[in-house]
Amino acid sequence: ELKVEQNPLFLSMQEGKNYTIYCNYSTTSDRLYWYRQDPGKSLESLFVLLSNGAVKQEGRLMASLDTKARLSTLHITAAVHDLSATYFCAVDPGWQGGGSNYKLTFGKGTLLTVNP
Amino acid sequence: DAGITQSPRHKVTETGTPVTLRCHQTENHRYMYWYRQDPGHGLRLIHYSYGVKDTDKGEVSDGYSVSRSKTEDFLLTLESATSSQTSVYFCAISQRRVLSYNEQFFGPGTRLTVL
Repeated sequence: ELKVEQNPLFLSMQEGKNYTIYCNYSTTSDRLYWYRQDPGKSLESLFVLLSNGAVKQEGRLMASLDTKARLSTLHITAAVHDLSATYFCAVDPGWQGGGSNYKLTFGKGTLLTVNP
Repeated sequence: DAGITQSPRHKVTETGTPVTLRCHQTENHRYMYWYRQDPGHGLRLIHYSYGVKDTDKGEVSDGYSVSRSKTEDFLLTLESATSSQTSVYFCAISQRRVLSYNEQFFGPGTRLTVL
């Protein structure tokens, strides 16, 4: 059974600081997705990472994928209040990783609070 | 934004009553999914569909059934609602493309309360 673990689950940080959210997964996969969810809202797709070494950046957020370590990171640079949200990673193991090629398995999410 | 709607958006019902949630898409995506979101559990897959009349179970399918008679509609039914099914339900769609593969797009959610 695929397990996806995010840490930390709760992150309180000050504006202007840098931090990293980690997403570890338990099976072979080179397909990983990051989502953002604002309180009371739906999930919004942030990044799609489809190969080892993939790096994507959007504003103050940068995501990377290391398939050998089964690890993805979401790095926050110079945090601002607007980044406060819950961030989810999701893994698609495909047939190679014992999956079905159709499904994603989500981590529990990281609740990020950026304080002034 | 992907054209996904869910109805109803909010529902309060009583234990033992049947409930049907609807997901409607205008994107002609092949794959559709139902998730539930609960504090401390993240998102968990209930059922999914890989085409009209083609559905399969997810990790928390007990007590739920689904149907997909048209590409655009995916229905989730709770045959006899229980308090443990109080949750926020999200529908998602995807269309496997080379550059995005299984990227899923989510509907606005339905908040269901079972008393």
